[in-house]
Amino acid sequence: DTGVSQDPRHKITKRGQNVTFRCDPISEHNRLYWYRQTLGQGPEFLTYFQNEAQLEKSRLLSDRFSAERPKGSFSTLEIQRTEQGDSAMYLCASSLVRGINTEAFFGQGTRLTVV
Amino acid sequence: AQSVTQLDSHVSVSEGTPVLLRCNYSSSYSPSLFWYVQHPNKGLQLLLKYTSAATLVKGINGFEAEFKKSETSFHLTKPSAHMSDAAEYFCVVSRGNNNDMRFGAGTRLTVKP
Repeated sequence: DTGVSQDPRHKITKRGQNVTFRCDPISEHNRLYWYRQTLGQGPEFLTYFQNEAQLEKSRLLSDRFSAERPKGSFSTLEIQRTEQGDSAMYLCASSLVRGINTEAFFGQGTRLTVV
Repeated sequence: AQSVTQLDSHVSVSEGTPVLLRCNYSSSYSPSLFWYVQHPNKGLQLLLKYTSAATLVKGINGFEAEFKKSETSFHLTKPSAHMSDAAEYFCVVSRGNNNDMRFGAGTRLTVKP
């Protein structure tokens, strides 16, 4: 257990529905990241927060995706009008940024299946 | 732009023999490089990291990696494989401070008894 919690662990939804995932990072960590991992591929960067500010978003993050970290603690990732191509593992990671010697700790992920 | 290429999608070794997982990187910056391991149904775990200090980096569970700038490589090695090493391994490059970590496609390591 890395200390990063994700909820739910699994989600099955019908195409067109909205889904929301939650990530609770390690408590003192100021940076939080979202990644997406499809079968047979490495994780792909989606977005990251420094405290409550969303500093970078990948082009993979379409308009149907939105992420928040309202108080600089937990984060949510919402997907609106889900599509079958959204089926993937969504990973959250957190780190405490001090200089360059940092380590990102990953949660176990939320596996989304869109049917 | 930065990216990594893991040269083997699958590596199979016998228990007790050396492990070599190959990774080449491309980066416009002085990169930070990492190796992560992913066991089935478990989160990604950091094995080791290079951040412009010593070029030979020692990690957990007996793994090592050597940063070779001239070859743009960061290969992962272990002298003697153990059954518990069977997992998916990811080479990762970032600009430092974990900004925008770019993962390779992964190498699945199989260890035969």
